[in-house]
Amino acid sequence: SQQGEEDPQALSIQEGENATMNCSYKTSINNLQWYRQNSGRGLVHLILIRSNEREKHSGRLRVTLDTSKKSSSLLITASRAADTASYFCATAPSNDYKLSFGAGTTVTVRA
Amino acid sequence: ETGVTQSPTHLIKTRGQQVTLRCSSQSGHNTVSWYQQALGQGPQFIFQYYREEENGRGNFPPRFSGLQFPNYSSELNVNALELDDSALYLCASSYLFGSDEQYFGPGTRLTVT
Repeated sequence: SQQGEEDPQALSIQEGENATMNCSYKTSINNLQWYRQNSGRGLVHLILIRSNEREKHSGRLRVTLDTSKKSSSLLITASRAADTASYFCATAPSNDYKLSFGAGTTVTVRA
Repeated sequence: ETGVTQSPTHLIKTRGQQVTLRCSSQSGHNTVSWYQQALGQGPQFIFQYYREEENGRGNFPPRFSGLQFPNYSSELNVNALELDDSALYLCASSYLFGSDEQYFGPGTRLTVT
């Protein structure tokens, strides 16, 4: 079973617009990570946010974490065609080391 | 480029056969994890190896086994293949034991007919 659940399942936006996706999880966590996957190939790590952090930025990415609501969001600003991919959140439970992935959000950026 | 490689890229096997998938981690990464990703799903954790010892596995039967070698290479072996084993198999390495940032390989696409 997958602990994280992303919402929406799919997202289509125009180039230059912002894309926001959300992740909800069930148990307390050590950290939460976001990964990107292009065309069913390997995943690329985007950003890690620890349970004692509320917000983190990396380039055009902004991640928030609300541990009271067990949720996170990933914002991609000024999207580009190259951002077209599937995005996954992965949670690391407090009492475990196994990363648990959600089913992902498929983002399509239209030129 | 994550520096993690996997072979082969694609593989077709028949139900009941055995398969070995290979992964080469980044130098210095003592931890390797294997994941199974079915079409349209997120990766599912199979097991993790740390310094050549298995230190935990997910909800997969014993016919899924692995090895990790001192030269940062590792293997995933699957016996008695079933149709539902068709998936993308990903290995991921990391510096630390545990669940911090992982570096994924490009995956092996296994098709069982």
